[in-house]
Amino acid sequence: DAGITQSPRHKVTETGTPVTLRCHQTENHRYMYWYRQDPGHGLRLIHYSYGVKDTDKGEVSDGYSVSRSKTEDFLLTLESATSSQTSVYFCAISDSIRGASGANVLTFGAGSRLTVL
Amino acid sequence: AQSVTQLDSQVPVFEEAPVELRCNYSSSVSVYLFWYVQYPNQGLQLLLKYLSGSTLVESINGFEAEFNKSQTSFHLRKPSVHISDTAEYFCAVSPLGGATNKLIFGTGTLLAVQP
Repeated sequence: DAGITQSPRHKVTETGTPVTLRCHQTENHRYMYWYRQDPGHGLRLIHYSYGVKDTDKGEVSDGYSVSRSKTEDFLLTLESATSSQTSVYFCAISDSIRGASGANVLTFGAGSRLTVL
Repeated sequence: AQSVTQLDSQVPVFEEAPVELRCNYSSSVSVYLFWYVQYPNQGLQLLLKYLSGSTLVESINGFEAEFNKSQTSFHLRKPSVHISDTAEYFCAVSPLGGATNKLIFGTGTLLAVQP
């Protein structure tokens, strides 16, 4: 997956517990993203980062926070997990806003499946 | 704002038959257009993209998509599918210019190729 590693790949947790998902890249790309994938909704952007310590909200950011202390790591945290956050979470990277071709081409990780009971 | 509509949630088709997966978008600005493919238990992979120039774009595995600005569509086609094409296909758009840097995805179409 082009130097993107997500961990854990699978996690089952209980409502109210904190959860952290990690995305690690070896591509030295500036931009990193967290999406969630749900049936009938496709992929929806949660948060993204445009540099170390620079992050911004996506369309479904409520209940999630992120941190990026190093170029290679982008953490997604659920402070108090709820059943509605049961989903598959994908990390993606991009080398620039527009890339060499002028378009924002994203490369995705393999995903992290989270189940909140 | 942009939105993407994939009209078919699932498309069953027999092996070696042609297939078309439909994608329509809505945007007040010009956009780049993409098709991503997701094989079972994997992440998304870029299949093809339209940036500018020829409205017909092709992938290395025989898929093609045509940008139709007047109909705001970017349908994906393949003249003869294989079992290995079974996957979920996502259409996505990215607006040109501005500060935004996100992709907006459709809800996906599951292509189920049967022998």
